[in-house]
Amino acid sequence: EAQVTQNPRYLITVTGKKLTVTCSQNMNHEYMSWYRQDPGLGLRQIYYSMNVEVTDKGDVPEGYKVSRKEKRNFPLILESPSPNQTSLYFCASRGDRRAPYEQYFGPGTRLTVT
Amino acid sequence: AQSVTQLDSQVPVFEEAPVELRCNYSSSVSVYLFWYVQYPNQGLQLLLKYLSGSTLVKGINGFEAEFNKSQTSFHLRKPSVHISDTAEYFCAVSDRGPNAGGTSYGKLTFGQGTILTVHP
Repeated sequence: EAQVTQNPRYLITVTGKKLTVTCSQNMNHEYMSWYRQDPGLGLRQIYYSMNVEVTDKGDVPEGYKVSRKEKRNFPLILESPSPNQTSLYFCASRGDRRAPYEQYFGPGTRLTVT
Repeated sequence: AQSVTQLDSQVPVFEEAPVELRCNYSSSVSVYLFWYVQYPNQGLQLLLKYLSGSTLVKGINGFEAEFNKSQTSFHLRKPSVHISDTAEYFCAVSDRGPNAGGTSYGKLTFGQGTILTVHP
C-alpha cells in the first residue's frame, strides 16, 4: 500500500530538548515536504526537498532543520524547540514533477512544547 | 506566488440542508485547485481537484466544486449534508510546474480552513 508514515504521532516535550520527527514514503517519490497546521492559519510549508541532498526553505523555516540522505526518508529536526512550535505537523510526498497535484500526506504528528 | 482566502471560518448548518464553502485565490500563473477535508483528529483527505477541462468538478461523498476563472474562485458545494460531514475543509492551490511558469514545484498553498458543523 502506497503511504507516508510519520513517527511519533503524538509528542510532548520541554523547551530546548532536541527532537526529531521521522517521515518515510514507500512510493519512490522525489519531492517531499513538511507542513505545520495552526488554527486559523491553515497549513504552511516549512521545508521541502526535491531529491536526495537537495532541500530548501518553505514559508516558515525558522527553528527547523531537515535532511534528505535517502530518497524515502525526510526527517524534521527541532534542535531547540520552543512553545511557539506547538503545532500539528504533516509530511507530504509527490512523485512526478509533471503531476504536481499528486500529493500524499502522512497522518500527522501533534507536538506540544511546554 | 499564490494566496488562498476562505471566506468563512465557521459554517453551521442543519442536516439535509445545502451548503457552500467559499474559496478565492490569487496567482500570477495558472494553478491547480484542491479541496481537502480533515475529520476530527485525523489527517488530510483529498475531496476533489481541478486540473483542466470542465469547470464543475465532482468529488467524494457527494461534494462538488466549480472553478470560476474570472472571479478566481473555487467554491465547494453539497446539496444535502449529513452529520458525518462535520469536519474542517481546506482549499488549496499549486502552480502547474516550470513548464507553465510555476516556480514552487508542487508546493500547496492552503487557505485558513472552514469548520463545517452539521446539526441534527
